[in-house]
Amino acid sequence: RKEVEQDPGPFNVPEGATVAFNCTYSNSASQSFFWYRQDCRKEPKLLMSVYSSGNEDGRFTAQLNRASQYISLLIRDSKLSDSATYLCVVTAPIYNQGGKLIFGQGTELSVKP
Amino acid sequence: DVKVTQSSRYLVKRTGEKVFLECVQDMDHENMFWYRQDPGLGLRLIYFSYDVKMKEKGDIPEGYSVSREKKERFSLILESASTNQTSMYLCASRLGGAGTEAFFGQGTRLTVV
Repeated sequence: RKEVEQDPGPFNVPEGATVAFNCTYSNSASQSFFWYRQDCRKEPKLLMSVYSSGNEDGRFTAQLNRASQYISLLIRDSKLSDSATYLCVVTAPIYNQGGKLIFGQGTELSVKP
Repeated sequence: DVKVTQSSRYLVKRTGEKVFLECVQDMDHENMFWYRQDPGLGLRLIYFSYDVKMKEKGDIPEGYSVSREKKERFSLILESASTNQTSMYLCASRLGGAGTEAFFGQGTRLTVV
């Protein structure tokens, strides 16, 4: 089983749609959780951190369920500029491998006019 | 702004050559990482370092080595380049500790012919 698994893509949605990405992780002692965004031929950049209480940044909402080892990202009112690959990222516990970052394979989103 | 700089955007090397990929960060981060990214496989960790002269193998260390003589610089070495090492290589750095963001370099696209 992969350490971090994401929904397979690609997701093709019209502008204005709401789209949800899911991610599961295998190590219950994982410490930190993030969503990164990667544009074509660019490096990944942080979209948002994910907290147990849930957090929102404009049209983006991230949720963490530690009991189910599940992370989600909701994008409301999709824009053309949201087209990118979304990467779910988990850190290993500090006591184990110094908090290395573990990436899911990524989910490609394409927002169409 | 944090800056992570990789020495080359594009490299073409011959099979059997020794290849050095350099990464420098300017924010005194403890942790530095080397990943490779291939279509359909996502980002895979090659090596990481949590302190000067300290290194840990990632998921795919075979054929690679690393060097961290100074805190700001983390080098990836391909001892004898092979065609299956043709890939995009991404360096990242982050502070130690939970919840801290990772910053990526712009990537080096290496082609081994």
